Amino acid sequence: DIQLTQSPSSFSASVGDTVTITCRASQIITSGLAWYQQRPGRAPKLLIYETSNLQSGVPSRFSGSGSGTAFALTIDRLLPEDVATYFCQQANSFPPTFGPGTKVDI
Amino acid sequence: EVQVVQSGAEMKKPGESLKISCQSSGYTYLNFWIAWVRQRPGKGLEWMGMVYLRDSDTRYSPSFRGQVTFSADKSISTAYLQWSSLKASDTAMYYCATYTGDRESFDVWGQGTMVIVSS
Repeated sequence: DIQLTQSPSSFSASVGDTVTITCRASQIITSGLAWYQQRPGRAPKLLIYETSNLQSGVPSRFSGSGSGTAFALTIDRLLPEDVATYFCQQANSFPPTFGPGTKVDI
Repeated sequence: EVQVVQSGAEMKKPGESLKISCQSSGYTYLNFWIAWVRQRPGKGLEWMGMVYLRDSDTRYSPSFRGQVTFSADKSISTAYLQWSSLKASDTAMYYCATYTGDRESFDVWGQGTMVIVSS
């Protein structure tokens, strides 16, 4: 299985900050990574697919980048509604796996 | 609008059986998978496997093979997750989500079904 690690595991930022979450894979991922947002008590929601493609309806403040084994999710101009746990996910190799999550507080 | 709606919360005793459902709507064709994802309280997301709505083909995570069964009824665009004998360790929130394969991402998620197994 491809193992995904995320850093940091949690952090606190201020409204208006730009924050970056990283996701590292144990093997090279050729087909890209997805990112999800899970607000407290809610289901996960797809933000980014294929490393950098924004899902329909997701604000352009969210962006994804990376290749190989190193990927990142960046949130520009952090808002209170961005308080959530963010997960990366790969399906390049069976079985699909998720990262452990990064909890973002304000 | 594409939607995925799951059945309601369940409270069961160890050893009991259970089948929960996930109904999709808004798709013109059923050429997509319904994946099941487990989230234990306070923990991360675990992919359990998936079922192809059109022909009920299944894929299981090695961690869940033999522990659960996936099925589907294409006539009502509904997928199912079933246990024959629940354990306390099955207590978790279970999400279903659509997966088309071309983007390798879980696009539309259900609201989740909470399953509590306790004597």
